[in-house]
Amino acid sequence: ETGVTQTPRHLVMGMTNKKSLKCEQHLGHNAMYWYKQSAKKPLELMFVYSLEERVENNSVPSRFSPECPNSSHLFLHLHTLQPEDSALYLCATSTSSGTGELFFGEGSRLTVL
Amino acid sequence: GIQVEQSPPDLILQEGANSTLRCNFSDSVNNLQWFHQNPWGQLINLFYIPSGTKQNGRLSATTVATERYSLLYISSSQTTDSGVYFCAGGFGNEKLTFGTGTRLTIIP
Repeated sequence: ETGVTQTPRHLVMGMTNKKSLKCEQHLGHNAMYWYKQSAKKPLELMFVYSLEERVENNSVPSRFSPECPNSSHLFLHLHTLQPEDSALYLCATSTSSGTGELFFGEGSRLTVL
Repeated sequence: GIQVEQSPPDLILQEGANSTLRCNFSDSVNNLQWFHQNPWGQLINLFYIPSGTKQNGRLSATTVATERYSLLYISSSQTTDSGVYFCAGGFGNEKLTFGTGTRLTIIP
């Protein structure tokens, strides 16, 4: 079983849809992250959760809504997205938010029509 | 925030060749990591190396913190080494900045 699992791997949605991305970790880590990777741009940190509390929100539009119900799961709820939100969304974990290696999932490729 | 510059942006090598990838930082960091993104999109952590030298098989990395750069060495390249290599640095994982990557293509 992989350490960090993301579902779905691919998602196509219309601008009026509501969908969610899921991340599950089996590493016992205390920090979880959502990153966005767009073509030709560096990875952008969206949200950070440490011990299930949000500690960072990098000016992400409100159409992206994170949820961390427990230490093993992280969700990214999506609603009324724009075509420019099409990207690879990556979940990562680390032992703590302050330090330590980041471990990434395989990503969810999102296409907004 | 910290600026991260990677070079070269693209590198094409014959199988068996050695390569050196470089990462420069605009300011001091206490967290520096190297990743390999495979063709399926997953980022694999190669090294956590805020300073010093580490080796893992054919890969090694050196960070000279006082001069704000890090190097990733790949020896005896294999086709499975192809992909994009990213470095990232900052203070803590919540303040990590990624570079734009080096795309490595290994030709059989």
